[in-house]
Amino acid sequence: DVKVTQSSRYLVKRTGEKVFLECVQDMDHENMFWYRQDPGLGLRLIYFSYDVKMKEKGDIPEGYSVSREKKERFSLILESASTNQTSMYLCASIGAGKTEAFFGQGTRLTVV
Amino acid sequence: SQQGEEDPQALSIQEGENATMNCSYKTSINNLQWYRQNSGRGLVHLILIRSNEREKHSGRLRVTLDTSKKSSSLLITASRAADTASYFCATDKTSGSRLTFGEGTQLTVNP
Repeated sequence: DVKVTQSSRYLVKRTGEKVFLECVQDMDHENMFWYRQDPGLGLRLIYFSYDVKMKEKGDIPEGYSVSREKKERFSLILESASTNQTSMYLCASIGAGKTEAFFGQGTRLTVV
Repeated sequence: SQQGEEDPQALSIQEGENATMNCSYKTSINNLQWYRQNSGRGLVHLILIRSNEREKHSGRLRVTLDTSKKSSSLLITASRAADTASYFCATDKTSGSRLTFGEGTQLTVNP
């Protein structure tokens, strides 16, 4: 059973903290993505990666960075968490040349 | 702005009825997909239609694509309470590339 696993379902952090959201996939997929989901706004792409050590900005990269040191792992970093980063974060992966995205279960982050 | 926009934003029907959701997009696409999201969970792929296709079926799902109108529709026939979820369309320009999602349609199927 193929899987994308996000390290936490729920997370509460304080303003100014550095936050790491981890995502691991076991399908040997090249492409990995981080989205945030907010009511009325759908899913918005933060960053994506087509290969190890490669990253590309999505539509809303400000306040975020990413790391892809290994093919199976794609980390989203909030350098200094702010309350407007309270959201549902979704990680996804897609195989090279494929179309179907596989999603993790999501991390609901609350910044207080 | 969102590439995909779903219509309606919310839909409430009775079990056994059909549910139709629409999606519009702005730029040229390679593929259009529909995903389902149960409350508080990740998205699950339902069905894909390629830009050179007009209609696809999968079980109780029927998807149509009109590239001249830049729109797609998802029909769920004989709906069940378990179909209650949010449904999103997603487009890409090439296979494996970033997906652009719409805002979703919240479907409620009442028993």
